Amino acid sequence: GQQVMQIPQYQHVQEGEDFTTYCNSSTTLSNIQWYKQRPGGHPVFLIQLVKSGEVKKQKRLTFQFGEAKKNSSLHITATQTTDVGTYFCAGQNTNAGKSTFGDGTTLTVKP
Amino acid sequence: GAVVSQHPSRVICKSGTSVKIECRSLDFQATTMFWYRQFPKQSLMLMATSNEGSKATYEQGVEKDKFLINHASLTLSTLTVTSAHPEDSSFYICSASVGGHIQYFGAGTRLSVL
Repeated sequence: GQQVMQIPQYQHVQEGEDFTTYCNSSTTLSNIQWYKQRPGGHPVFLIQLVKSGEVKKQKRLTFQFGEAKKNSSLHITATQTTDVGTYFCAGQNTNAGKSTFGDGTTLTVKP
Repeated sequence: GAVVSQHPSRVICKSGTSVKIECRSLDFQATTMFWYRQFPKQSLMLMATSNEGSKATYEQGVEKDKFLINHASLTLSTLTVTSAHPEDSSFYICSASVGGHIQYFGAGTRLSVL
């Protein structure tokens, strides 16, 4: 079945440093979503990518979808303590199918 | 934005009792609702996919007779953990979706079975 792998599992950064998490699928995806879960909270939708090579930005967050639609990345520029949490990617390989979640990358930011 | 309400947020019950968890989409009609289980510091484990008016589709290894899912309307799905045991203690999260793409999550239910 479809597998979605996410790396790294954990990332510790100093406030102000950049952060990137990578998501790789074993199959070609029709779309991918990114979610953020704060400690003790629930996942919150951040963005969806659909097109090959798509790049979207939300303030300090940059999301990319690979040309082959099998990988994606989330990059945070100049991290802040409010960025702490676990970032999940979720990919669909059909437009009507369920999404498969990656294992998440947990980000901690040291002030 | 889309709001999903999940109740209760926390429940403590005795072993052998049943617990019902509700998931409501407050400002949109959800064609699909998902139920997840999340262990500490782990990812979301999909338990079942629920479409309004039809039987839920359970993931491999999830007992459908133990985790009863009802999706009676486009805004409400319920998960009943029947005859709960301590190993069922976990964080259960629902999500609601239009078309199965973007998911809006409830706040989760922390179940503790004594």
